[in-house]
Amino acid sequence: EAQVTQNPRYLITVTGKKLTVTCSQNMNHEYMSWYRQDPGLGLRQIYYSMNVEVTDKGDVPEGYKVSRKEKRNFPLILESPSPNQTSLYFCASSLTPTSVWETQYFGPGTRLLVL
Amino acid sequence: QKEVEQNSGPLSVPEGAIASLNCTYSDRVSQSFFWYRQYSGKSPELIMSIYSNGDKEDGRFTAQLNKASQYVSLLIRDSQPSDSATYLCAVQNSNSGYALNFGKGTSLLVTP
Repeated sequence: EAQVTQNPRYLITVTGKKLTVTCSQNMNHEYMSWYRQDPGLGLRQIYYSMNVEVTDKGDVPEGYKVSRKEKRNFPLILESPSPNQTSLYFCASSLTPTSVWETQYFGPGTRLLVL
Repeated sequence: QKEVEQNSGPLSVPEGAIASLNCTYSDRVSQSFFWYRQYSGKSPELIMSIYSNGDKEDGRFTAQLNKASQYVSLLIRDSQPSDSATYLCAVQNSNSGYALNFGKGTSLLVTP
């Protein structure tokens, strides 16, 4: 089954404790991205990756890191989480970034609470 | 900052009626336009895409695009209670890393 998976789905942590949210897709998609969703603010892009070893900042990259060592995986790293990073996070992927006829398929989401 | 604006709602319509959802965008060079449906706590699900001016129909859904007015809409005919969700308008163009720029969503409630 074609899908985007995220782990963990739910996470409670404390300020400053490094964490990683994994994202994996099995569709051989080139383009992957991370979004956060907050009430009243909608979905905002954090980082995106055009292909392996190619990443770039989205609208709200502060406090986050990403890496793209393999095509299928795009982990989101919070080196020192803070309470303002409490949010619902979505990973998404699409076949290519260059075709305007493509859109992105979303993972199930990771709900993060930083105390 | 490229803006995508939607009325937050809630928009309430009776079962069987037509629901009309609207979206305006600020970036004139936007090329692709999408409507996503999102149930509470779930991931967005693509329901319609449109790329050229005019109407595009898919079952009970019709997307309408007017690039001159920078306006895109979604009509849902014969609305069902299961259509109750938040509808997200998303706009994409090649000048911004192909990012999907989302509106904040319109909450739709279909009452039996």
